[in-house]
Amino acid sequence: NAGVTQTPKFQVLKTGQSMTLQCAQDMNHEYMSWYRQDPGMGLRLIHYSVGAGITDQGEVPNGYNVSRSTTEDFPLRLLSAAPSQTSVYFCASSYSGALEAFFGQGTRLTVV
Amino acid sequence: KQEVTQIPAALSVPEGENLVLNCSFTDSAIYNLQWFRQDPGKGLTSLLLIQSSQREQTSGRLNASLDKSSGRSTLYIAASQPGDSATYLCAVSGDRGSTLGRLYFGRGTQLTVWP
Repeated sequence: NAGVTQTPKFQVLKTGQSMTLQCAQDMNHEYMSWYRQDPGMGLRLIHYSVGAGITDQGEVPNGYNVSRSTTEDFPLRLLSAAPSQTSVYFCASSYSGALEAFFGQGTRLTVV
Repeated sequence: KQEVTQIPAALSVPEGENLVLNCSFTDSAIYNLQWFRQDPGKGLTSLLLIQSSQREQTSGRLNASLDKSSGRSTLYIAASQPGDSATYLCAVSGDRGSTLGRLYFGRGTQLTVWP
């Protein structure tokens, strides 16, 4: 059972480039979300989804875009990368808001 | 807005000690509280989940308690080992409206257990 899979694990981008961080889960979870983790800031919610076709903004959504066309996948798009988006990104999923959340191994992104 | 605070920010103890990590939250409208472990450069591993209607959960040497009315949780680690060295994160899940299912994290307690 793969759980939550994130790709890539590491990425270096130039300012202004765009890219998509992939997240897939094989547990048939309805809830999926993206967080960024920065030193001294803890984990902050970027976007989340409560099911296919439904997404909503979290605490720090600017500069990011998401869509949820299937239950399994929840990609995060950086539209025009900025150095402030240098961070570690985590994808998480859970069967419902009341149950345990499972996290991927993270994507370490550096924007130069 | 939900605010989650973890005390202490760092803790260094000798092997074998029993220890307590603290977590507090400002809004008691929560679905559950989870304790996670994070090793350097790795993802988050769920340790314990306490539903809002529960008072405590146990797993091996770990015991987590929840006092929802006072907005507090503790993670008790018995007989600590060097392998317990990691950052421990507390997160609460909102239970209504725009907070439904969202996790709010504390900044973590960095634990070092030395032999």
